[in-house]
Amino acid sequence: EPEVTQTPSHQVTQMGQEVILRCVPISNHLYFYWYRQILGQKVEFLVSFYNNEISEKSEIFDDQFSVERPDGSNFTLKIRSTKLEDSAMYFCASSGDSEQYFGPGTRLTVT
Amino acid sequence: GENVEQHPSTLSVQEGDSAVIKCTYSDSASNYFPWYKQELGKRPQLIIDIRSNVGEKKDQRIAVTLNKTAKHFSLHITETQPEDSAVYFCAATNFGNEKLTFGTGTRLTIIP
Repeated sequence: EPEVTQTPSHQVTQMGQEVILRCVPISNHLYFYWYRQILGQKVEFLVSFYNNEISEKSEIFDDQFSVERPDGSNFTLKIRSTKLEDSAMYFCASSGDSEQYFGPGTRLTVT
Repeated sequence: GENVEQHPSTLSVQEGDSAVIKCTYSDSASNYFPWYKQELGKRPQLIIDIRSNVGEKKDQRIAVTLNKTAKHFSLHITETQPEDSAVYFCAATNFGNEKLTFGTGTRLTIIP
């Protein structure tokens, strides 16, 4: 069964540094998402992406965040200047119809 | 925007008993309600979902009910087993690949 994959599984970075989180959605899916989950809290929507553009973004997704689909398979989330409060698990998800399938997540730790 | 409330936050049941988790939503335009199971350190996994044109859906030991009038939906797990122990999240969205709005989660513990 195809799955969403994400790399790296864990990223440690210093405050102010840029990070890129990578995702490979399920191959025939057209809708892509990023969510984050701060430890012990609920999953929060960041951004959705369809047809090579952002379709919706939350108030969390400010100017330090960007997304890109650089080729036919990868979907990336860039955080330009990380802050301590960006520490969280970041999940990529993809869907073809309505069901959203999540990747295993990248744990981002900002020190 | 949509707001999803989930109760209880923790639930412990004896193995073999049933567990019920309840969610309410605020946006009457929401019409798709998935449930996710998340084991410690793992991804949320879709376990069942329901669309607003049906009132109940069942898949083996798991069922979901939806009351559109009251804007609430519930997850029912029967004959619980130790492997059902996890955090369960409900979510709501407007069908058509919109963002999911999640509830706050229920930590379910099955006592052997």
